[in-house]
Amino acid sequence: QQPVQSPQAVILREGEDAVINCSSSKALYSVHWYRQKHGEAPVFLMILLKGGEQKGHEKISASFNEKKQQSSLYLTASQLSYSGTYFCGTVNNAGNMLTFGGGTRLMVKP
Amino acid sequence: GAGVSQSPRYKVAKRGQDVALRCDPISGHVSLFWYQQALGQGPEFLTYFQNEAQLDKSGLPSDRFFAERPEGSVSTLKIQRTQQEDSAVYLCASSNYEQYFGPGTRLTVT
Repeated sequence: QQPVQSPQAVILREGEDAVINCSSSKALYSVHWYRQKHGEAPVFLMILLKGGEQKGHEKISASFNEKKQQSSLYLTASQLSYSGTYFCGTVNNAGNMLTFGGGTRLMVKP
Repeated sequence: GAGVSQSPRYKVAKRGQDVALRCDPISGHVSLFWYQQALGQGPEFLTYFQNEAQLDKSGLPSDRFFAERPEGSVSTLKIQRTQQEDSAVYLCASSNYEQYFGPGTRLTVT
């Protein structure tokens, strides 16, 4: 069963912040975040392992709440280049493949 | 170093034709995954290789789909007797831990 992402779409002005959420009904081993621009491959952003760690680089960070099987991606002071569709991919304890959510379409306007 | 490459980038097939899609993974990556992405959706898992062994093919939608990775490097996804519902972008990802995606092959069945 695929994870549920929210919101489905968000429009920001440059410099604003956003949070994208990813929830699963299954016990998770890891959560992977990707950004995909139209017609391009998904680009790896970061991976979070169970344990509630928070990761980040520059103005993009993420957290993973193992008990709630939820992960959140935080975009701070958004830039035009952040526009695209963000996908979370989850790996459960039984497998290796990613099960992707439906995506969150993010548009950053000047 | 080079990323994951896929060929062809675009393929138009008439219904009933056979197609072969190629994936060149990142050198040294042990794992290789195939995903299918419909327009506006997240990628969906098809099959997974570890070296030359196909460990999981539970996502292949029918017995018309076949994948191989005979020498543990390049992989080919073959679709026999293509149908219109096979139209999608086929993504390949290679991994030693994080999954890195290729640009995909956009298959259109007419």
